Amino acid sequence: GDSVTQMEGPVTLSEEAFLTINCTYTATGYPSLFWYVQYPGEGLQLLLKATKADDKGSNKGFEATYRKETTSFHLEKGSVQVSDSAVYFCALSESPGNQFYFGTGTSLTVIP
Amino acid sequence: ETGVTQSPTHLIKTRGQQVTLRCSSQSGHNTVSWYQQALGQGPQFIFQYYREEENGRGNFPPRFSGLQFPNYSSELNVNALELDDSALYLCASSITSGGAYEQYFGPGTRLTVT
Repeated sequence: GDSVTQMEGPVTLSEEAFLTINCTYTATGYPSLFWYVQYPGEGLQLLLKATKADDKGSNKGFEATYRKETTSFHLEKGSVQVSDSAVYFCALSESPGNQFYFGTGTSLTVIP
Repeated sequence: ETGVTQSPTHLIKTRGQQVTLRCSSQSGHNTVSWYQQALGQGPQFIFQYYREEENGRGNFPPRFSGLQFPNYSSELNVNALELDDSALYLCASSITSGGAYEQYFGPGTRLTVT
């Protein structure tokens, strides 16, 4: 069945450090891939997405590239800010209208 | 444009009781999905409704049931509550057409079962 595996957290970085959060997936078809962010006490917000192999999703300085050969969708940001502190979830969906499969989330804390 | 809203925000129930959670989907969205997020975990798919019919279900027992109304709002009902049902319940709306994939989430309802 479909599944998503994320790197374990929590992750603590200093402001302006480089961020990588690893995500790999297992899927029966050709899924779309997503990163969602959850700030304390809030629901999930879509951060970025990629719908086919080699697509790069980007938003607010975050990037992730859909790598079919390694079944990965790692999240990166060149310079994190304190305001990026949140929990990040990698997710996949096989097709429009289908359920999303989420990873367990990676908590990020950025310290000044 | 109004986003996804959920009510109530927090709820405390006793084991064995029944609960109803409500969700209003984003304007123009015809599909609603419900997820359970246990503490420290990722959301787990409960079920999805499209055009008032259940359109997929995750690995949850029948005591989890739902409804979707003509205005696309939705309810999640849980009977015979168990302690393990304590979680954040998230509603997500989307459009099932035209290749759109995104699901837009509400802020969630925090259910505590004692």
